[in-house]
Amino acid sequence: QVQLVESGGGLVEPGGSLRLSCAASGFTFSDYYFSWIRQAPGKGLEWVSYINSGGSTIYYADSVKGRFTISRDNAEKSLYLQINSLRAEDTAVYYCARAPGSALRNYYYYYMDVWGKGTTVTVSS
Amino acid sequence: DIQMTQSPSTLSASVGDRVTITCRASQGISSWLAWYQQKPGEAPRPLIYDASNLQGGVPSRFSGSGTGTEFTLTISNLQPQDFAIYYCQQYDSFPWTFGQGTKVEIK
Repeated sequence: QVQLVESGGGLVEPGGSLRLSCAASGFTFSDYYFSWIRQAPGKGLEWVSYINSGGSTIYYADSVKGRFTISRDNAEKSLYLQINSLRAEDTAVYYCARAPGSALRNYYYYYMDVWGKGTTVTVSS
Repeated sequence: DIQMTQSPSTLSASVGDRVTITCRASQGISSWLAWYQQKPGEAPRPLIYDASNLQGGVPSRFSGSGTGTEFTLTISNLQPQDFAIYYCQQYDSFPWTFGQGTKVEIK
């Protein structure tokens, strides 16, 4: 079945780094674009980053630009988020989500249709 | 950035009610709007895309409408499993942005 499974979260000190992974199964990975979305404890949803199928188009939220790097490995069917210079305000559950890409959709606007269950990042000394 | 504003923030309703949540965009986003449902401790569940299209497996008591800057999510015949937080999200332009959420609670 269609599944996204995040991993790599944990407790890290301010200034530290983590690499989050999102393993996909049950669909043609390269047909989809992906995003990372996070949710701080007790707060709403915040979009973090986006990558298209080939990795040629990437966007970041201003709050993470210069510190986070999104990437993907189509052969491994995996999405990644390298997060550096972590701050307390980066503490959140991080979700990956897929969006049907241009091979599957006639419009150049992409909605998210499947989300993973999330991985928790806690930044604290 | 496009700001998304939902109203109300909290909605009290009973099983069987018809409820409507409104989402307003700070500028026109055509129909590039999605709705999500989130229950405590769970990931968001996609409900609607392109303002009015139901995601697969979503019950027909959920419906969405609107275009431009004003959108609504309607739940007819509210069921016990529908008590949750609902978010709208625009994907017209980056950064993608979410509304602050509307909590549907039991009256």
